[in-house]
Amino acid sequence: AQKVTQAQTEISVVEKEDVTLDCVYETRDTTYYLFWYKQPPSGELVFLIRRNSFDEQNEISGRYSWNFQKSTSSFNFTITASQVVDSAVYFCALSNFNKFYFGSGTKLNVKP
Amino acid sequence: DTAVSQTPKYLVTQMGNDKSIKCEQNLGHDTMYWYKQDSKKFLKIMFSYNNKELIINETVPNRFSPKSPDKAHLNLHINSLELGDSAVYFCASSREAGVGNTIYFGEGSWLTVV
Repeated sequence: AQKVTQAQTEISVVEKEDVTLDCVYETRDTTYYLFWYKQPPSGELVFLIRRNSFDEQNEISGRYSWNFQKSTSSFNFTITASQVVDSAVYFCALSNFNKFYFGSGTKLNVKP
Repeated sequence: DTAVSQTPKYLVTQMGNDKSIKCEQNLGHDTMYWYKQDSKKFLKIMFSYNNKELIINETVPNRFSPKSPDKAHLNLHINSLELGDSAVYFCASSREAGVGNTIYFGEGSWLTVV
């Protein structure tokens, strides 16, 4: 069975703090992909990153970074020097075959 | 140009009515989806079409009927609306079906059944 767990329901930080959003997944497949999406208050779902199961290199994009560790089945997302515009619900997802399995989302509140 | 566009964005209707949500993508993708997001933000796939053919049909009431006239369009028709149908419905597309294809979402359609 495929499953994605985002244990942090809601996180509040003050602007400029670093914050890490946790994502733990379960799958028996050897080939799979992991994703992060952002849903700002306006409601749309924005694609952030895709990572395949054979590539454990960490990735950095500006203030965003992702840490993929197969040993712990985790794909964590860190925002450095958070900003108010980062306030959103963030979803982690696992893809295999034709289906996406989304976590329940983590709501990030960044206060000025 | 919006990549995946869906209309209407907001829809308030009474129980028992029939309504449709339209979706179009201009990305040239072969695969399209409908997802439902409930009040707790949980996202669940409803349907997926690949080149106009239904490939995923999750446990969804028969009152929901998708239609794909061509691979750029996937509409959702809902009969006899119920209170529990109130949710945000997202249309999405990917280049093709299969593992690893990034899904791109529309802006969502907020359906409220009163």
